[in-house]
Amino acid sequence: GAGVSQSPRYKVAKRGQDVALRCDPISGHVSLFWYQQALGQGPEFLTYFQNEAQLDKSGLPSDRFFAERPEGSVSTLKIQRTQQEDSAVYLCASSLNGLGHTDTQYFGPGTRLTVL
Amino acid sequence: EDKVVQSPLSLVVHEGDTVTLNCSYEVTNFRSLLWYKQEKKAPTFLFMLTSSGIEKKSGRLSSILDKKELSSILNITATQTGDSAIYLCAVGHAGGTSYGKLTFGQGTILTVHP
Repeated sequence: GAGVSQSPRYKVAKRGQDVALRCDPISGHVSLFWYQQALGQGPEFLTYFQNEAQLDKSGLPSDRFFAERPEGSVSTLKIQRTQQEDSAVYLCASSLNGLGHTDTQYFGPGTRLTVL
Repeated sequence: EDKVVQSPLSLVVHEGDTVTLNCSYEVTNFRSLLWYKQEKKAPTFLFMLTSSGIEKKSGRLSSILDKKELSSILNITATQTGDSAIYLCAVGHAGGTSYGKLTFGQGTILTVHP
């Protein structure tokens, strides 16, 4: 089946603009994760959903960042009033089973956000 | 604070060489250690390790976990130019407030020259 897909693949925003990044997880996967990867660094956790419930948002860097997954499938990461330090690759990952243990996470290709 | 450290940060070898990449961790509620390969796209899953001392192998790649030393190694034998990538180590958390997330190291950049 299809893997995790993300759109857009590239986004250029002017400082202060709002952006919305989309993630389509693997069909049937319960858990969905967002990560931020700065240049030359490993991915850093932002937030985690189990179905439609956002169970952990401890990694969101500020209240300008908001994520949702209203029907337990597609997720959107929204960044309001973008700043230059938001420039990064935003990775989405999904895993099959959210209960009881940490399953293998499968990653999408990421959205590269550049804030000018 | 949870920490995953990889070494070396970068490595340049020639085709046919064998390489060993290292990962050490200090995390709460350890559940598993995962290795990913990242080229100019999505990180692709290589291995998940949960038990100490049991080697996992896939072709020329192998990995092993040492829970006593809080570390893991990833070996690649007979390297090829297609092995050039960033290799990411990540630790999965078993529970508590960190449940579900992966904590990543900064990655090892491997370059294999022909």
